[in-house]
Amino acid sequence: DTEVTQTPKHLVMGMTNKKSLKCEQHMGHRAMYWYKQKAKKPPELMFVYSYEKLSINESVPSRFSPECPNSSLLNLHLHALQPEDSALYLCASSQDGISTDTQYFGPGTRLTVL
Amino acid sequence: AQSVTQLDSHVSVSEGTPVLLRCNYSSSYSPSLFWYVQHPNKGLQLLLKYTSAATLVKGINGFEAEFKKSETSFHLTKPSAHMSDAAEYFCVVSDTGRRALTFGSGTRLQVQP
Repeated sequence: DTEVTQTPKHLVMGMTNKKSLKCEQHMGHRAMYWYKQKAKKPPELMFVYSYEKLSINESVPSRFSPECPNSSLLNLHLHALQPEDSALYLCASSQDGISTDTQYFGPGTRLTVL
Repeated sequence: AQSVTQLDSHVSVSEGTPVLLRCNYSSSYSPSLFWYVQHPNKGLQLLLKYTSAATLVKGINGFEAEFKKSETSFHLTKPSAHMSDAAEYFCVVSDTGRRALTFGSGTRLQVQP
């Protein structure tokens, strides 16, 4: 099974709301990733967790807060977002997080900030 | 530093004709190279992967890519396009020791009936 699941599929939120995106994988992978993808652009890396520790934060604003409760789960907590944060948020996982690993992507959460 | 250039932002082919999507890369080390496909409003699906084994890599759905070190290229081909191949294709490079992938800007493949 090479499936990464993400919930919800769609999310609409106001600028004062707090919401969370959830990602789950049961492949035994130890590295998990959050990407942001704007329309007609490639994905941009936001965060990398390796063995449940945050290993890369690509200078993401603090209104995005990642959390890795265990090796199968990855959350992205959202607070006080801006309309320009509207995008497709993709989660991915890989075996160990090394360069030769294949990253497996979830279907994404389409976020709209009003 | 690593980088990826997808030479065509948009490619249009007729169903049943060959597909060629071009990718050039720049890498300081021995790279791993990937092609991913993204259908509208979907996540990314791995088509194929090169990691310094055979230079001709076969992937899913009849796609293949050839790693040419002398040309720093990793072009994606398919002998005969199908309507279901219409999607966005990303060429991706990963340097040894770096966890982050570098994505090309993408090529939109359109397949005409």
